[in-house]
Amino acid sequence: EVQLVESGGGLLQPGGSLRLSCAASGFIFTSCAMAWVRQAPGKGLEWVSTISSNGRGTYYADSVKGRFTISRDNSKSMLYLQMNSLTADDTALYYCAKEPQTLGIGLDYWGQGTLVTVSS
Amino acid sequence: DIQMTQSPSSLSALVGDRVTITCRASQGIGNFLTWYQQKPGKVPKLLIYKTSTLQSGVPSRFSGSGSGTDFTLTISSLQPEDVATYYCQKHDTAPLTFGGGTKVEIK
Repeated sequence: EVQLVESGGGLLQPGGSLRLSCAASGFIFTSCAMAWVRQAPGKGLEWVSTISSNGRGTYYADSVKGRFTISRDNSKSMLYLQMNSLTADDTALYYCAKEPQTLGIGLDYWGQGTLVTVSS
Repeated sequence: DIQMTQSPSSLSALVGDRVTITCRASQGIGNFLTWYQQKPGKVPKLLIYKTSTLQSGVPSRFSGSGSGTDFTLTISSLQPEDVATYYCQKHDTAPLTFGGGTKVEIK
C-alpha cells in the first residue's frame, strides 16, 4: 500500500524558515518523480515544486522560486521541502504527492498534508 | 507561463443530470491534461489523465475529452457521491499549473 506521510508543519512568523518532510513507502521510490502541492485555507490547489526520480531535475512555481528548495534522499525514501523567507501567502496545507513511473500522467497518490501557518 | 482556466467555478445540478466542466489552456498542451476530484475535507484523487484515460477504479460515468487548449470533464449521470471540487492540471512540462476548480453540488 502506498503511503505518503508529511511532517514538519507549524506556526511561524513572517521571514522564518521551515523544512517539510515526506516519508514514502509501498512503492519504488527511486523510480518516481515527487511533488509538493499546497492549498491555502478555502482555496484551490497550487502546484509548488517537482523533483525528478534521481533528484537531478527540480522545478518550481514562480511564487516560490528562489525561496523554496525541493530535495530527496532516495536511500531513505524521503522527500523534503526547505522553505525560507516565508510570508502570510505561504500559509497552506502542504501535500506530498507522487507521480507514476510513466511521466505526464499526474499525481496518483497524495499524503494527508501538513499545515503551515505564517503569522505574526 | 500557460494559464489554466476552468468554468464554471461552481454548479448545482439534479441527481441524474449530465454535468460538463470546461478547462481551457492559454496555449496548447497536447493531451497532457489531468482531472482531479477533491471531496470536502479529503485529499485530491486522480480521476482522468492524458485527457481521456480513466484512472483505475473511477466510475465509467466520468469521461474526459479535448485536445490542445480546450478540454472537458463530463459526468454522465450525477450521483450524490460526486459532490466535490474538480480541478484540471496541465501535466506536460513545468509549471504544472492547476485550474481554479469547479465546485459541484446537488440541487
